Amino acid sequence: DIVMTQSPDSLAVSLGERATINCKSSQSILHTSNNKNWLAWYQQKPGQSPKLLISWASTRESGVPDRFSGSGSGTDFTLTISSLQAEDVAVYYCHQHYSTPQTFGQGTKLEIK
Amino acid sequence: EVQLVESGGGLVQPGGSLRLSCAASGFTFSGTYMHWVRQAPGKGLEWVGRIRNNANSDTTDYAASVRGRFIISRDDSKNSLYLQMNSLETEDTAMYYCARENYFLENWGQGTLVTVSS
Repeated sequence: DIVMTQSPDSLAVSLGERATINCKSSQSILHTSNNKNWLAWYQQKPGQSPKLLISWASTRESGVPDRFSGSGSGTDFTLTISSLQAEDVAVYYCHQHYSTPQTFGQGTKLEIK
Repeated sequence: EVQLVESGGGLVQPGGSLRLSCAASGFTFSGTYMHWVRQAPGKGLEWVGRIRNNANSDTTDYAASVRGRFIISRDDSKNSLYLQMNSLETEDTAMYYCARENYFLENWGQGTLVTVSS
């Protein structure tokens, strides 16, 4: 199984500041079939279901604010929020869909400092 | 608009069974792979399993933690996904979400809560 490890487990950032969440996979999730990283990022706000933010490691979904960006390749990935807003308080998960069983990172809880 | 609505959750005793449903609309259900993902109270997301589409023989994959106890099925005529859960354990207590696959999990339902307790 591919293990997804996020860091940190929790993060407190001031409004308007940058937030960075890391995700590391135990093996490469760069697929030769399409030369894409089979990694997605989800946001889960309190009491809500997860929402897809970023697919293919760096493709922002329609309607997601451009302060959210994804980067990385192979085994190391990053979700960056360039200027934290109050509505970004949530738990963020990375997810590999490269192989079965699909696996998620343990989540990173993002709060306002 | 894609909609996924789970139902069937509730309280069940250890060793019991429960069947969850997920009603889908707003997309071509028959052509889509579908997943179940669960989340224990206060914990992270855990992938439960997936069912492919009819073109791929509705084949299924499961997490090791549920393999042999849970069965995923679908009824394309009803645009519905199911999760038959047998031999339930207290560790199966969780919110269960169905999700639509577009390689990644593009859309999620609101979830249905399953509590396994005596």
